[in-house]
Amino acid sequence: EPEVTQTPSHQVTQMGQEVILRCVPISNHLYFYWYRQILGQKVEFLVSFYNNEISEKSEIFDDQFSVERPDGSNFTLKIRSTKLEDSAMYFCASRATGSEQYFGPGTRLTVT
Amino acid sequence: GQQLNQSPQSMFIQEGEDVSMNCTSSSIFNTWLWYKQEPGEGPVLLIALYKAGELTSNGRLTAQFGITRKDSFLNISASIPSDVGIYFCAGQSVNAGNNRKLIWGLGTSLAVNP
Repeated sequence: EPEVTQTPSHQVTQMGQEVILRCVPISNHLYFYWYRQILGQKVEFLVSFYNNEISEKSEIFDDQFSVERPDGSNFTLKIRSTKLEDSAMYFCASRATGSEQYFGPGTRLTVT
Repeated sequence: GQQLNQSPQSMFIQEGEDVSMNCTSSSIFNTWLWYKQEPGEGPVLLIALYKAGELTSNGRLTAQFGITRKDSFLNISASIPSDVGIYFCAGQSVNAGNNRKLIWGLGTSLAVNP
């Protein structure tokens, strides 16, 4: 069964460093998302991406964040200058034309 | 912003018992999705609901889309130890447009005593 994959599973970085989180969505899906989940809290929407552009972003998704689909398979989230409060699980999700979003296993980002 | 109130926050039950959890919102949703998350993993889609009043089953799981479109419940019958995890409701509001971003509840943590 097709699934969303994410790498790395865990990323440790120092405050102020740039990180790139990678996702490979399900191959025939058209809509892509990033969500984050701070430990013990609910999942929060960051950004949605369709047709090679951002279609919606949340207040969390400030100028430090960017997304890219550099080729036909990868979908990346870049944080330019990480802050302590960026520490969280980051989930990529994708969907076809329906409403059902399928999630990857997540990347745990730890900013020290 | 929109919020989903999910209850109960946690449950500790005996194997074989039935479980019920629900989500409510102050605004109308077009779609309700129920996910399960196990430690260190991403949310796994369990059931999707699209119409008010819809009742859908997936094995021992049953979920309903409330008539008012502001609530949904999930039932698990005859619980087993592998049901352990955090169950999240997530909704797509009528204003979500084609983006269909998900608004999430805080989750119900389920523990099952064998």
